[in-house]
Amino acid sequence: KAGVTQTPRYLIKTRGQQVTLSCSPISGHRSVSWYQQTPGQGLQFLFEYFSETQRNKGNFPGRFSGRQFSNSRSEMNVSTLELGDSALYLCASSIIPGQGANTEAFFGQGTRLTVV
Amino acid sequence: DAKTTQPNSMESNEEEPVHLPCNHSTISGTDYIHWYRQLPSQGPEYVIHGLTSNVNNRMASLAIAEDRKSSTLILHRATLRDAAVYYCILRDVDGQNFVFGPGTRLSVLP
Repeated sequence: KAGVTQTPRYLIKTRGQQVTLSCSPISGHRSVSWYQQTPGQGLQFLFEYFSETQRNKGNFPGRFSGRQFSNSRSEMNVSTLELGDSALYLCASSIIPGQGANTEAFFGQGTRLTVV
Repeated sequence: DAKTTQPNSMESNEEEPVHLPCNHSTISGTDYIHWYRQLPSQGPEYVIHGLTSNVNNRMASLAIAEDRKSSTLILHRATLRDAAVYYCILRDVDGQNFVFGPGTRLSVLP
């Protein structure tokens, strides 16, 4: 079956702009989580959505937001981009909320965002 | 999620076994031990997970200490494709978000 699909793969934006990233989970998976990966901070949790509702949120400013649609596809938005937002943004999907202790999560290849 | 400690880096020769250690001294009785790896320019990839007993799958084996305060991921025959950052993560029954540490960067030498 198809894996987690993230689009676009690469993106270059200017400071102050906003950006929207998309994630299509594996068919049948209803939970989608987003992570930011930078060389300095590593992988950090942004937020998780299940059934179009945000279940959990990491320690990021309000400029970072997301949503989930009825088909489980999810988007994340970053407004007023800063240079420090340059990162690899990863999406993970799983069948049940909270990733589940006894199940595996599937990650997409990520979107590489560069802010100039 | 409880914290894990892993060596920053390890090296192995191709076709030799690799033992990647992970310490989790504050693990609770309901925490599952998960291993993921991240190849260059890829998202993390599931490797294996377990609770108390040792586990085997097509990718690797997971050996869990009797007191569960440590575990070891075993790659039976390392290949160049196994060069990656390996993350050991504890997941509780509530299964909230993953908390990634720095992981272990594995280099495989031909």
